[in-house]
Amino acid sequence: AQSVTQLDSHVSVSEGTPVLLRCNYSSSYSPSLFWYVQHPNKGLQLLLKYTSAATLVKGINGFEAEFKKSETSFHLTKPSAHMSDAAEYFCVVSLKAAGNKLTFGGGTRVLVKP
Amino acid sequence: DTGVSQDPRHKITKRGQNVTFRCDPISEHNRLYWYRQTLGQGPEFLTYFQNEAQLEKSRLLSDRFSAERPKGSFSTLEIQRTEQGDSAMYLCASSPQATNEKLFFGSGTQLSVL
Repeated sequence: AQSVTQLDSHVSVSEGTPVLLRCNYSSSYSPSLFWYVQHPNKGLQLLLKYTSAATLVKGINGFEAEFKKSETSFHLTKPSAHMSDAAEYFCVVSLKAAGNKLTFGGGTRVLVKP
Repeated sequence: DTGVSQDPRHKITKRGQNVTFRCDPISEHNRLYWYRQTLGQGPEFLTYFQNEAQLEKSRLLSDRFSAERPKGSFSTLEIQRTEQGDSAMYLCASSPQATNEKLFFGSGTQLSVL
């Protein structure tokens, strides 16, 4: 079985300040981990993915995430928030043995203040 | 636009009525997935297809739900005798091959059951 816990349901940051979205996972095997973003009235978009290569993964729009096996964490960061980063972010785990179906966390809604 | 297409974008129905949604995946994508997302939650897996074969169904998919992918291209999701609890966003995603974990999502069909 696999599961994902996003530790914050809402995060509020000021424009230009760092963003940290926390995610912990549980998986019986070595999982693949993803971050997806969902803007209002738009489809889910892949930000980045980890698949057992480098533990620090760089994604689109300046986001990156670090896989820490000892902590079973995959936190998402961005050095400087932009107004366009306001959206819902989902941490996701998948297993090839489970048909690559994705298991989503509950989501973190990011608010960016000017 | 060559992304995943879902139709309709919105559906309002009365309790007890049947509804059918359609998903057109990206051309030549072998895998097709259905997810359901309720307000404030992450998407939940419902079912997936490898070509025309339905390989897995979540226990969330009650007997009132049926999905098909008759020719291995587009898929339909039917809900019979709708209930208010079926109100949700129904998301479709596709991926190009069994070993490729990246899913491409459509914008979803928002169902409201009155």
